[in-house]
Amino acid sequence: DTAVSQTPKYLVTQMGNDKSIKCEQNLGHDTMYWYKQDSKKFLKIMFSYNNKELIINETVPNRFSPKSPDKAHLNLHINSLELGDSAVYFCASSQGGPILQETQYFGPGTRLLVL
Amino acid sequence: RKEVEQDPGPFNVPEGATVAFNCTYSNSASQSFFWYRQDCRKEPKLLMSVYSSGNEDGRFTAQLNRASQYISLLIRDSKLSDSATYLCVVTYTGTASKLTFGTGTRLQVTL
Repeated sequence: DTAVSQTPKYLVTQMGNDKSIKCEQNLGHDTMYWYKQDSKKFLKIMFSYNNKELIINETVPNRFSPKSPDKAHLNLHINSLELGDSAVYFCASSQGGPILQETQYFGPGTRLLVL
Repeated sequence: RKEVEQDPGPFNVPEGATVAFNCTYSNSASQSFFWYRQDCRKEPKLLMSVYSSGNEDGRFTAQLNRASQYISLLIRDSKLSDSATYLCVVTYTGTASKLTFGTGTRLQVTL
């Protein structure tokens, strides 16, 4: 009964490649997020979608493009991968939109290593 | 200056000890506050929300001091299973769905 799932769990690839990470939630939530956790363990939001609409877009290179085909899915496509993209990428979801004190549920993370 | 600052630790404490973590935030427009827990190589999970009046959940007590812009987490009677990284999290007015994380404080509880 995985609430927020991500695939793949591990991704090792060469610089310059294009890759995608998929996220799905079965909680019926309206809002989904992508976070990046770097080698120093600092967790930072990248994007957020509410009912398939982009509501948060932090200062992220445009090589990163999120796509939400429906409110249960939020995928992350990365073009022209660079060494600095190596990190753990977490997907998360929450019940509604801009509502305070909502719990965000995180997926298990995708460990991306760019060689 | 980071928006949310924490002492990275590690805090090494024996089982049964009481340990406290502090966190400071720079933006006075901060609206909501949380403590998340992250085990090694796992995802963050909500531990507890933090309210102005302070709140307690079993062995865990969270306090918020808006005037000084800091949040604290107290763990009493530490267990081995409390070993983890504790993340201080803040949201800001108008961006309520965006969590801003501190870098985390690592706790290691030993026998």
